[in-house]
Amino acid sequence: DAGVIQSPRHEVTEMGQEVTLRCKPISGHNSLFWYRQTMMRGLELLIYFNNNVPIDDSGMPEDRFSAKMPNASFSTLKIQPSEPRDSAVYFCASRGTLRPYEQYFGPGTRLTVT
Amino acid sequence: QQQVKQSPQSLIVQKGGIPIINCAYENTAFDYFPWYQQFPGKGPALLIAIRPDVSEKKEGRFTISFNKSAKQFSLHIMDSQPGDSATYFCAAYQAGTALIFGKGTTLSVSS
Repeated sequence: DAGVIQSPRHEVTEMGQEVTLRCKPISGHNSLFWYRQTMMRGLELLIYFNNNVPIDDSGMPEDRFSAKMPNASFSTLKIQPSEPRDSAVYFCASRGTLRPYEQYFGPGTRLTVT
Repeated sequence: QQQVKQSPQSLIVQKGGIPIINCAYENTAFDYFPWYQQFPGKGPALLIAIRPDVSEKKEGRFTISFNKSAKQFSLHIMDSQPGDSATYFCAAYQAGTALIFGKGTTLSVSS
């Protein structure tokens, strides 16, 4: 299996622009998570889906952030409009049912908003 | 409260030393307590996990010690190597929810 796939790996954009991050979970996994990692705040859970349905979005910072999971093999995290304080590494992770404490993380997208 | 408190924030040890990272929790409903390891430029990956009805678990040089009455658990790395230099996260899992991660400990093992 290729693991969790994220794209792009790096994104540099200007303040005010729309940013879309993409994730393909591991085939057969039924849960998907979006995290944000910064030095100051550590690893923050933004939102997670179970069977393509959003279960907990309490970590989404504000209305500028939105996430979708139209099917079991694809999810997006959108930031519109982006701000410099959104600069971080964004991770997508997926989880199956055999070992529910094991989340498989993608390589991350490093976002820089100037 | 749904929180896992991790300490120390950073740790420097000599090669061969035994770094210890500690975590504490409040919620007694957690089912598993995993540890994740993250190398620079990579996503975190599961290292080892323990259930609350077990007091100790070893996998290679990595050991989790679990104290249910104190609501604390710790990671010990025996004979640490420079290749163990990474950020370590403790976490807690309750059925049907996302993992709750600690803030992380950056470990540096000098040769």
